[in-house]
Amino acid sequence: EAEVAQSPRYKITEKSQAVAFWCDPISGHATLYWYRQILGQGPELLVQFQDESVVDDSQLPKDRFSAERLKGVDSTLKIQPAELGDSAMYLCASSVGPGSNQPQHFGDGTRLSIL
Amino acid sequence: SQQGEEDPQALSIQEGENATMNCSYKTSINNLQWYRQNSGRGLVHLILIRSNEREKHSGRLRVTLDTSKKSSSLLITASRAADTASYFCAPFDFGNEKLTFGTGTRLTIIP
Repeated sequence: EAEVAQSPRYKITEKSQAVAFWCDPISGHATLYWYRQILGQGPELLVQFQDESVVDDSQLPKDRFSAERLKGVDSTLKIQPAELGDSAMYLCASSVGPGSNQPQHFGDGTRLSIL
Repeated sequence: SQQGEEDPQALSIQEGENATMNCSYKTSINNLQWYRQNSGRGLVHLILIRSNEREKHSGRLRVTLDTSKKSSSLLITASRAADTASYFCAPFDFGNEKLTFGTGTRLTIIP
């Protein structure tokens, strides 16, 4: 079965630095999600794309976080500058469409540690 | 927030026993989904139950939904060591049209 690809798997960086995560969804999936998961908690939606357009970024800290999906396929999430509280797992997911009956397929995430 | 709340937070059982996890939510939903997450990995979709359904089966999984009580349960029968994982319920909110995840139930199967 096709998978959602994410890289890197792990990232260690110092606070105030810039960091970027990449996601390649399942081919043909129009909807792409970025989630943040703090240890011991469930994923929290940061941003949702429908093709190349942002449809929900209400929980994205826009002063330091940005996300793009320029051609409606792969996507990049960036943090600049990183803060200690950003340490978490960043998960990407995709679905065929935005409908409520579409299951989401997750990648294995990027574990970010801020020193 | 439509966050699902799972109960118990942690559960340890012997291999071969059945495991039951519960989920409660607050407002109207379109459907409710269950996901599994192995340590250090992404989430895997297990089952989706629509608001007009009361019970659904998939292999060793049985999910129930009671919209009058705003609750759902996930039963795993004949548990195996490979079932060791965290399990999350995710109500799909009818109003804001997105999934919200609870803190999960951490299930440990003892061989």
